[in-house]
Amino acid sequence: DVKVTQSSRYLVKRTGEKVFLECVQDMDHENMFWYRQDPGLGLRLIYFSYDVKMKEKGDIPEGYSVSREKKERFSLILESASTNQTSMYLCASSSTGTARISPLHFGNGTRLTVT
Amino acid sequence: AQTVTQSQPEMSVQEAETVTLSCTYDTSESDYYLFWYKQPPSRQMILVIRQEAYKQQNATENRFSVNFQKAAKSFSLKISDSQLGDAAMYFCAFPPSRLNNDMRFGAGTRLTVKP
Repeated sequence: DVKVTQSSRYLVKRTGEKVFLECVQDMDHENMFWYRQDPGLGLRLIYFSYDVKMKEKGDIPEGYSVSREKKERFSLILESASTNQTSMYLCASSSTGTARISPLHFGNGTRLTVT
Repeated sequence: AQTVTQSQPEMSVQEAETVTLSCTYDTSESDYYLFWYKQPPSRQMILVIRQEAYKQQNATENRFSVNFQKAAKSFSLKISDSQLGDAAMYFCAFPPSRLNNDMRFGAGTRLTVKP
């Protein structure tokens, strides 16, 4: 089974701090994604990457950046955390393979609180 | 804009009964995929079922089936013989791009199963 591991389940940070959310997948997937989940809004795509050192903006990239130095790892960075970034963050990965569109495999999520 | 709409924030069903969750979407593409994901209270999102738009036959996975109406851009999920373990958030999703795997999600429907 594909395993997508997010480094923290719960995180509490102060306004203005730099925050790193780490995600690692063990199935050699090309594609990796960061979503933010808020009640009533579903999942919104922040950034995604389809190859090492490649990144694409999603629907809500403002206030975030990402890093993909290795294929298995995709980091989400909050340069200066703000209270409106308090949310659940979900990492996901998928393969390209023979199927043009493959399902996503998700991590357990990181509940980030910014105070 | 490519959008996904789930108009039912909450639904409930009696154990062993059938429930249908609605989803509509908007796309200008003719060939695409649609997905239903489930997020149980433990939070890890998992794939429930997938439909390819060019296939006229509705997808089925055990107790889960879809009613895909391409002209109406409707993609509903039917759960038969509901079980307590079906209680979860359900998200409809599709990748608007034909080239990438960046999936977009609806706001979700919270399903409660009553014993």
